[in-house]
Amino acid sequence: EAAVTQSPRNKVAVTGGKVTLSCNQTNNHNNMYWYRQDTGHGLRLIHYSYGAGSTEKGDIPDGYKASRPSQENFSLILELATPSQTSVYFCASGEGQTGDYEQYFGPGTRLTVL
Amino acid sequence: EQQVQQSPASLVLQEAENAELQCSFSIFTNQVQWFYQRPGGRLVSLLYNPSGTKQSGRLTSTTVIKERRSSLHISSSQITDSGTYLCAMDRPFYGSSGNKLIFGIGTLLSVKP
Repeated sequence: EAAVTQSPRNKVAVTGGKVTLSCNQTNNHNNMYWYRQDTGHGLRLIHYSYGAGSTEKGDIPDGYKASRPSQENFSLILELATPSQTSVYFCASGEGQTGDYEQYFGPGTRLTVL
Repeated sequence: EQQVQQSPASLVLQEAENAELQCSFSIFTNQVQWFYQRPGGRLVSLLYNPSGTKQSGRLTSTTVIKERRSSLHISSSQITDSGTYLCAMDRPFYGSSGNKLIFGIGTLLSVKP
């Protein structure tokens, strides 16, 4: 099974501050994803990446940037955090090859913006 | 509009009873993935099911793609099965390779002794 880790696991930030959430995967998957989970909405895709150097917008990208400096690492960046970005954030990875779209998730980061 | 609908929203069972969780999709999908999640916890992939029936231990997933539905059957439930079960459908990214998952809100299962 794919190993996906996230840091930090919990974060409290102030409104207007910069927040960086990190994700690392060790199974050499091409695709990586950032989702957020909110009550009543389920998980929603923020950004994704096909490989090192690539980032693409997901369904709710506003207020977020992403960075994929290597195959293993994928970061989510909140340049100016707002209370509406309080949520649980999940990173995932997957091979992304035709016929094999299974995704593997990290443990999540609980972010509170005060 | 919620593209993935799950039912029931919550379910309470006595230990050893069976459970049937349902998932339906408003648009076409090729593949379905079922996850288990404890409150605030990691999503654990249970079954990845392109179509037909797939089994893993006490779990059986049946997906009928052309009817846009999938079900998860849990047999002989245990207290440790308590948690949220999420269904997600696979959707391709338009104009490029790769896919994304669109999730339902989940079914909260509680198994009592």
